[in-house]
Amino acid sequence: SQTIHQWPATLVQPVGSPLSLECTVEGTSNPNLYWYRQAAGRGLQLLFYSVGIGQISSEVPQNLSASRPQDRQFILSSKKLLLSDSGFYLCAWSRGRLHGYTFGSGTRLTVV
Amino acid sequence: TQLLEQSPQFLSIQEGENLTVYCNSSSVFSSLQWYRQEPGEGPVLLVTVVTGGEVKKLKRLTFQFGDARKDSSLHITAAQPGDTGLYLCAGVSGGTSYGKLTFGQGTILTVHP
Repeated sequence: SQTIHQWPATLVQPVGSPLSLECTVEGTSNPNLYWYRQAAGRGLQLLFYSVGIGQISSEVPQNLSASRPQDRQFILSSKKLLLSDSGFYLCAWSRGRLHGYTFGSGTRLTVV
Repeated sequence: TQLLEQSPQFLSIQEGENLTVYCNSSSVFSSLQWYRQEPGEGPVLLVTVVTGGEVKKLKRLTFQFGDARKDSSLHITAAQPGDTGLYLCAGVSGGTSYGKLTFGQGTILTVHP
């Protein structure tokens, strides 16, 4: 069966510090991968998606970047965090547009 | 930008009552999904509807996709406290295989015992 792992679960970082959130998928190959941010427990905003190794599409201009160094690994990064980067970050994977997303358990990031 | 509007934003009901959550857009989606999310966890897929007019039932939950594929509804019969959570609709757009999901703002449902 397919599983998705996301870590860490919670993170408190000072303004200006770097960020690296990691997401890995097991049990499938060539998944579509996504990073979402959720504010205040409401709707999700798509940040990045990837359809293959090294292929990253950005949805909104921001202080964050994403990379996919391996088929089932998706990383969200920042060189210098801003207060506005605080939020709940979710990684997800899917097989395609007619398939549902499977989400990780999320990372609660607080920038102080 | 394709937008999905969910209503109501908040719903507080007693156990045993029925409820309906609506998801509307001015855009056509190739498919629409419903998720349920509990605090501190990722959303969990409940259902995917693909065909206009499609109705799917999942125990006490009934999902409907509008004929024009611009709207959807979720109806819960005899709600239970375990149904409490954030319900999100999400539309799949794009003609390519990856299909980006556009999420509504969610409906926070609280079912009181």
